[in-house]
Amino acid sequence: DGGITQSPKYLFRKEGQNVTLSCEQNLNHDAMYWYRQDPGQGLRLIYYSQIVNDFQKGDIAEGYSVSREKKESFPLTVTSAQKNPTAFYLCASSSNSPLAGLAKNIQYFGAGTRLSVL
Amino acid sequence: DQQVKQNSPSLSVQEGRISILNCDYTNSMFDYFLWYKKYPAEGPTFLISISSIKDKNEDGRFTVFLNKSAKHLSLHIVPSQPGDSAVYFCAASSTNAGGTSYGKLTFGQGTILTVHP
Repeated sequence: DGGITQSPKYLFRKEGQNVTLSCEQNLNHDAMYWYRQDPGQGLRLIYYSQIVNDFQKGDIAEGYSVSREKKESFPLTVTSAQKNPTAFYLCASSSNSPLAGLAKNIQYFGAGTRLSVL
Repeated sequence: DQQVKQNSPSLSVQEGRISILNCDYTNSMFDYFLWYKKYPAEGPTFLISISSIKDKNEDGRFTVFLNKSAKHLSLHIVPSQPGDSAVYFCAASSTNAGGTSYGKLTFGQGTILTVHP
């Protein structure tokens, strides 16, 4: 089955600790994204990557870091500099292939990781 | 600066009736719009989209209408079913002249739809 897998489903962070959220996709998509959702709010973009070994800051990148060493993987690290990390984190991917027409703009999401602070 | 707004936090509808979810945007560069459905503790699922060259797109029970002059789009669900109860997000994107997306979606805050049996 093709899709996006996020792990773990639940994660707890201690004070001063860095934690890494995993995101893997087997859709052969070029672009991948990380979003954060807080209660009663929409999704806010943290980082995105259009191609391997390249990524861009989104709207709320402070306190987060990413890497894109493989097409299939886009891990997100929540660093100790992120003072309010408790949220639901969502990873997405999209094709971005010209062959897909406008459908290349559709982002497909994983099931999410809920991060809480101990 | 909320570029995409869903002004109704919630909507309650009787089963079999029409559900209308609304979304407004301010950025005139947006030219591709999407609706997602989300259940609690799950990722959003893509429902339907529309390009700015159209004013309507239909897929089964779901129809999206776009009014560019008013910078407004709406999602109609007819007939509504209890399984449609979820949070609905609209999202907007800019594409360049060649149709290549910059890859960024801007989301509204979401509307909680409850369909009563």
